[in-house]
Amino acid sequence: EPEVTQTPSHQVTQMGQEVILRCVPISNHLYFYWYRQILGQKVEFLVSFYNNEISEKSEIFDDQFSVERPDGSNFTLKIRSTKLEDSAMYFCASRTWAPGYSPLHFGNGTRLTVT
Amino acid sequence: AQSVTQPDIHITVSEGASLELRCNYSYGATPYLFWYVQSPGQGLQLLLKYFSGDTLVQGIKGFEAEFKRSQSSFNLRKPSVHWSDAAEYFCAVESVDGNKLVFGAGTILRVKS
Repeated sequence: EPEVTQTPSHQVTQMGQEVILRCVPISNHLYFYWYRQILGQKVEFLVSFYNNEISEKSEIFDDQFSVERPDGSNFTLKIRSTKLEDSAMYFCASRTWAPGYSPLHFGNGTRLTVT
Repeated sequence: AQSVTQPDIHITVSEGASLELRCNYSYGATPYLFWYVQSPGQGLQLLLKYFSGDTLVQGIKGFEAEFKRSQSSFNLRKPSVHWSDAAEYFCAVESVDGNKLVFGAGTILRVKS
């Protein structure tokens, strides 16, 4: 069964550094998402992306965050200047159709540790 | 705004016993509802979903859930738990006109032999 793949599985970075988290969504999917889960807390929505633009973002997704689909297969999340509180598990997800008609498929996540 | 409550943080059941994980949602219209499971170090795997129609939905791994509009609930059940079911379970709701899932805090299931 096709799956969403994320790399790396674990990233350690120093505060203030830029990180790029990478995702390859399922190939025929059209809607893409990033979620994060701080240790011990809920899974939180960050951003959704469709037709090469952001369709919705949460208040967490400030100017330090950006997303890009640089080619036909990758979907990336960039954090420009990481803070300690950005340490979390970041999940990429994708779906085929519009909301309400298909479920999200999640990757295994990238654990980001900011030191 | 919609919200999801999973009142049980931890649940421990014996292998072979039945299981029910509770989920209550808050949303004005009929929501789209999901259960996901997360094994340690793994991503979120979809167990089952409710969009419309039959309020009792079947999922993978022998799980089922029942949507009860009157109680704003979508509880997850399994008649006989296996040790491999030990994981964290998340209930989630998505609004029809929204573009995101809202997750509950999760319930950690422990299975004792």
